[in-house]
Amino acid sequence: AQKVTQAQTEISVVEKEDVTLDCVYETRDTTYYLFWYKQPPSGELVFLIRRNSFDEQNEISGRYSWNFQKSTSSFNFTITASQVVDSAVYFCALSDLKAAGNKLTFGGGTRVLVKP
Amino acid sequence: DGGITQSPKYLFRKEGQNVTLSCEQNLNHDAMYWYRQDPGQGLRLIYYSQIVNDFQKGDIAEGYSVSREKKESFPLTVTSAQKNPTAFYLCASMWAVNTGELFFGEGSRLTVL
Repeated sequence: AQKVTQAQTEISVVEKEDVTLDCVYETRDTTYYLFWYKQPPSGELVFLIRRNSFDEQNEISGRYSWNFQKSTSSFNFTITASQVVDSAVYFCALSDLKAAGNKLTFGGGTRVLVKP
Repeated sequence: DGGITQSPKYLFRKEGQNVTLSCEQNLNHDAMYWYRQDPGQGLRLIYYSQIVNDFQKGDIAEGYSVSREKKESFPLTVTSAQKNPTAFYLCASMWAVNTGELFFGEGSRLTVL
């Protein structure tokens, strides 16, 4: 069975601080996707990134960066120079490409509160 | 604008009543999903549908029912058999099953009084 663990339930930072969200996953599959989604107060989840299990290159997109380490089954997410607009709940998710319907398994989410 | 529309945004229900949550998408996506969100538990899959007139149970389908008569519509009925229906419900769609990328609606919050 697949499992995604986000050990941090809530993180509070002051604006301009960096914040790292941890994500650890479990799967027996060799081929899978990893995702990060952002859920702002409005409620809908917004896709941030998808990473294929064969691609361990780190990725940077503006103030966001992701560190994928297959050896430790982790896919951590860092927000650099945080802003108030980054306040949201962030979910890490895992997809089994061979499963019917391509269902995603989500972690419990990490709430990030950025104070001005 | 293309997207997913869920209604109602807030819904109150008395115990023993069925309630239907609407989900409409104009993204021309084939696959649609219903998730339930509870505090600290992330999202759990209720039902999903890959094509019209076909749907599959997810991890927590008991007490729920769905239909997929049209590509753009995937309503969820929360029946009186659902023992703990108070939750936030999210509808999502995926344009191609092998991408894994979900597009979400803004959710419906159901409270049972």
